[in-house]
Amino acid sequence: GAGVSQSPSNKVTEKGKDVELRCDPISGHTALYWYRQRLGQGLEFLIYFQGNSAPDKSGLPSDRFSAERTGESVSTLTIQRTQQEDSAVYLCASSLDRISEQFFGPGTRLTVL
Amino acid sequence: AQKVTQAQTEISVVEKEDVTLDCVYETRDTTYYLFWYKQPPSGELVFLIRRNSFDEQNEISGRYSWNFQKSTSSFNFTITASQVVDSAVYFCALSAPPGGGTSYGKLTFGQGTILTVHP
Repeated sequence: GAGVSQSPSNKVTEKGKDVELRCDPISGHTALYWYRQRLGQGLEFLIYFQGNSAPDKSGLPSDRFSAERTGESVSTLTIQRTQQEDSAVYLCASSLDRISEQFFGPGTRLTVL
Repeated sequence: AQKVTQAQTEISVVEKEDVTLDCVYETRDTTYYLFWYKQPPSGELVFLIRRNSFDEQNEISGRYSWNFQKSTSSFNFTITASQVVDSAVYFCALSAPPGGGTSYGKLTFGQGTILTVHP
């Protein structure tokens, strides 16, 4: 079966513009996660969705960041008024449930000029 | 707060050498999970292992082995007879405990160790 997919693979934007990143989890996976990986760094947790429960937004760095997920399907991470420090690879992961291992997508490389 | 430290930023070895990647973690939780992920040049993270904090037995999978020592809060990863294809960034990670409400499952990652295996 297909793995986690993300689009676009690369996004270059100008400072101040809004961007939308998309994640398609593995079919049947109830849990979905967003992480950010800055150059040469580890991954930072951003947000976590589990089924129809309220998402865990504790990792979102500012109110410019938001994410949505409808049911157990696609998720969208939106960054408003992008800043240069938002430049990073944004990784999405999904898992069968919240105690199973996470499978990661290829990421979206965001560059803010 | 949880923290994962991978003190080795970069390691360079010659093919067939054994190499150990260190991971030290901090948590106040009595139960937790530890993970290792591999990130090859393609960028996609590959799951390698998950270890429950209750299980301190070492694990071996082919050329890979893991040494979990709760007394020293370490979860080290050894590759035996390294190969060029092992070249990647390796991440150690820690998750919040079961029953931790909605926080359970999200991973705290170390900074990663870049492993380069030369032919």
